[in-house]
Amino acid sequence: NAGVTQTPKFQVLKTGQSMTLQCAQDMNHEYMSWYRQDPGMGLRLIHYSVGAGITDQGEVPNGYNVSRSTTEDFPLRLLSAAPSQTSVYFCASSGSGNEWDTQYFGPGTRLTVL
Amino acid sequence: AQSVSQHNHHVILSEAASLELGCNYSYGGTVNLFWYVQYPGQHLQLLLKYFSGDPLVKGIKGFEAEFIKSKFSFNLRKPSVQWSDTAEYFCAVIPSGSARQLTFGSGTQLTVLP
Repeated sequence: NAGVTQTPKFQVLKTGQSMTLQCAQDMNHEYMSWYRQDPGMGLRLIHYSVGAGITDQGEVPNGYNVSRSTTEDFPLRLLSAAPSQTSVYFCASSGSGNEWDTQYFGPGTRLTVL
Repeated sequence: AQSVSQHNHHVILSEAASLELGCNYSYGGTVNLFWYVQYPGQHLQLLLKYFSGDPLVKGIKGFEAEFIKSKFSFNLRKPSVQWSDTAEYFCAVIPSGSARQLTFGSGTQLTVLP
């Protein structure tokens, strides 16, 4: 298993540009989520999904959209990038049963918005 | 507001020293508690978790944590650190009924000097 994969690893955008951060998992996990990591603030939840076709907002959803058309993929869209969105973005997934609460994280995408 | 607090932002130790990192949470109900570690340039990995039962939890690489309900604490310990333990450590909580939403503390950067 590849686990949780994210692309790209690095991205530089100009203010106002749009882009999609990709996230995929091959563990058949029902739950997927997006976090942003900023210095001194830990990780904050942006959006999450409990299954295909179901998404919901986390702590910091403004400026981001998500969709979940398949179990495997959970892309994060920035419609109009702003410098405040400069951050490291992590995707995570978790399954069911005894491991329902253990989230597996991807390698992250480092985004800079100029 | 409900939160997770890690009061030590940066800890510097020499090899073989003992480690204790503090974590306090402010949720009043049932919680699942976690410690994640992020080695330089890598993604987050689960160190250990507490769900129920024995409040002393053992994790990977010799780490352990003790859940003290009366103090709302879940401190991480290791009796003898190694240079390879240099990393950022995050405490996290899933409150009961929160649909697996992890809330993270701000993190503690541990530097172990050889």
